[in-house]
Amino acid sequence: QVHLQESGPGLVKPSETLSLTCSVSGSSVTSDYYWGWIRQPPGKGLEWIANVHQRGSTYYNPSLKSRATVSVDSSKNQFSLILSSVTATDTAVYYCARGRTGIVYFDYWGQGSLVTVSS
Amino acid sequence: QSVLTQPPSVSGAPGQRVTISCTGSSSSIGAGYEVHWYQHLPGTAPKLLIYGSTNRPSGVPDRFSGSKSGTSASLAISGLQAEDEGDYYCQSYDNSLGVFYVFGTGTKVTVL
Repeated sequence: QVHLQESGPGLVKPSETLSLTCSVSGSSVTSDYYWGWIRQPPGKGLEWIANVHQRGSTYYNPSLKSRATVSVDSSKNQFSLILSSVTATDTAVYYCARGRTGIVYFDYWGQGSLVTVSS
Repeated sequence: QSVLTQPPSVSGAPGQRVTISCTGSSSSIGAGYEVHWYQHLPGTAPKLLIYGSTNRPSGVPDRFSGSKSGTSASLAISGLQAEDEGDYYCQSYDNSLGVFYVFGTGTKVTVL
């Protein structure tokens, strides 16, 4: 059974950096999948942020590309998201997920981690 | 950034059939890209319901079915049950945006 779990601080100050980690069990981050981040601001819909593949390929939503960085840590079977220069509009539930290659969709998701940007 | 439009809400009595539409454009669903559906129940992780427009992952009841035609897709839930109450999202690709995954606006399903 594939399980993903997000972890990170629930509160980040404006202009600072948001850092989240996704721990994966039941699947290896070195397998042929994308590992992705999606967020949902309060009362709004889902927004894809970025994907990373163990080969080192990264893909970003153009609206966030300049601020987002994703990476894989195969030694810990984890992958991470860093989002710099956050503002209140970055307040959201952040989900990590496993993405299929070829026809792109997410087949397993974490439960989500609420990150609030506030001073 | 949603370029896939869904009705905000649908409702039905237990046992009834409801459908959720997902309307895209010539650069998304109309360009032949597949549509995928997710169920998001309160307090749980989103769950893949339909992939490749019509396929159910193992473990998803056959009460859930998907279809696609032209620039739109639909998710049908037959034999509606109380545990189906939650939010449903479609997802595809849009070649005009450079975004790998575009999600629908979301639909709240209420079981009366």
